[in-house]
Amino acid sequence: DVKVTQSSRYLVKRTGEKVFLECVQDMDHENMFWYRQDPGLGLRLIYFSYDVKMKEKGDIPEGYSVSREKKERFSLILESASTNQTSMYLCASSPRGGTYEQYFGPGTRLTVT
Amino acid sequence: DQQVKQNSPSLSVQEGRISILNCDYTNSMFDYFLWYKKYPAEGPTFLISISSIKDKNEDGRFTVFLNKSAKHLSLHIVPSQPGDSAVYFCAARPIYFGNEKLTFGTGTRLTIIP
Repeated sequence: DVKVTQSSRYLVKRTGEKVFLECVQDMDHENMFWYRQDPGLGLRLIYFSYDVKMKEKGDIPEGYSVSREKKERFSLILESASTNQTSMYLCASSPRGGTYEQYFGPGTRLTVT
Repeated sequence: DQQVKQNSPSLSVQEGRISILNCDYTNSMFDYFLWYKKYPAEGPTFLISISSIKDKNEDGRFTVFLNKSAKHLSLHIVPSQPGDSAVYFCAARPIYFGNEKLTFGTGTRLTIIP
């Protein structure tokens, strides 16, 4: 059974803190993605990676960075958290090619106070 | 610029009836479309997909219809069941080789009334 796990389900951080969100997949997928979900805005792509040490900006990369040192792990970093980064963060993975279906983790609800 | 739009934020349907969720897109380079279902506090799960070379794809109670000329797709759920209550996202992928990104719509919250 395919599995994408995220390090925390709920996280509360203070403005200005550096925040790390971790995502691990056990399906040997090449592609990994970070999205945020906000009411009325749907899922918006922050960053994605199609290989180890490779990354590309999505639609809303400002204020975020990512790291992919191993194939199974993709980290999202908020360099200096701000209140407008309060959101649900979703990680996904997919195999290269194929049906383009992405497999999602359970999400991390981040609150920045 | 919202390339994939779901104009109905919410929809309520009686149990046993048909649920129809709609999605419009603007980018003519999209060639593959997917529907995802999301329960609260869970990640989205894949439901059904359709390639642009087809106009219909069926999987049990779920059918997706694609009208390329109108840049419109719809998801039909028949019959609707209480467990179908969730947020539904449509997503699209462009034809460019090597582009594995999906563009998601804003979602429609479906409530099935027992």
